[in-house]
Amino acid sequence: GDSVTQMEGPVTLSEEAFLTINCTYTATGYPSLFWYVQYPGEGLQLLLKATKADDKGSNKGFEATYRKETTSFHLEKGSVQVSDSAVYFCALSDSTGGGNKLTFGTGTQLKVEL
Amino acid sequence: DTGVSQDPRHKITKRGQNVTFRCDPISEHNRLYWYRQTLGQGPEFLTYFQNEAQLEKSRLLSDRFSAERPKGSFSTLEIQRTEQGDSAMYLCASSKVAGGFYEQYFGPGTRLTVT
Repeated sequence: GDSVTQMEGPVTLSEEAFLTINCTYTATGYPSLFWYVQYPGEGLQLLLKATKADDKGSNKGFEATYRKETTSFHLEKGSVQVSDSAVYFCALSDSTGGGNKLTFGTGTQLKVEL
Repeated sequence: DTGVSQDPRHKITKRGQNVTFRCDPISEHNRLYWYRQTLGQGPEFLTYFQNEAQLEKSRLLSDRFSAERPKGSFSTLEIQRTEQGDSAMYLCASSKVAGGFYEQYFGPGTRLTVT
């Protein structure tokens, strides 16, 4: 079945550092890929998405590129802020439109310190 | 939009009791999803509806679990004869197609503790 593997946390960075959170997936067909974020005390929010190979999703300074050849969707940000501290989940949907079930990774906690 | 709401936010129950959770989706969202999240894990899919039709159920949804969406609006998730392993956060999400894409909006979750 479909699966998502992401790097374990917590990841602790200083403010303005570069962030990479690795995500790889296993799926048949052509899944859509997502990054969700969960801020402390809040629900899951969609951060960015990519629906086909070589697409780049971006939002709030975060980026991720759908790499079919390496089955990866790594999350990057050039300069993190304390307000980016949250848990980040990589996920896939087995439909191009993202309408079917989501399969999530285990989440990576990010802590950004001053 | 007021967002997806779930009730109750917290539920403590004794093993063997039945519990029911409610999810109110964003209005006009025709798809509704249930997920379960345990500590340190990502959400796991349980089931989803399009309008009132239940389109897919996970193998995780044992015969003690039942979900309904009788009028295509709110949904309920019932767990019968709860077990300690049912302790988890139960998440609801809703979506509708926009630009050929369904974005799932998540509610705050119901945290279930089975003692």
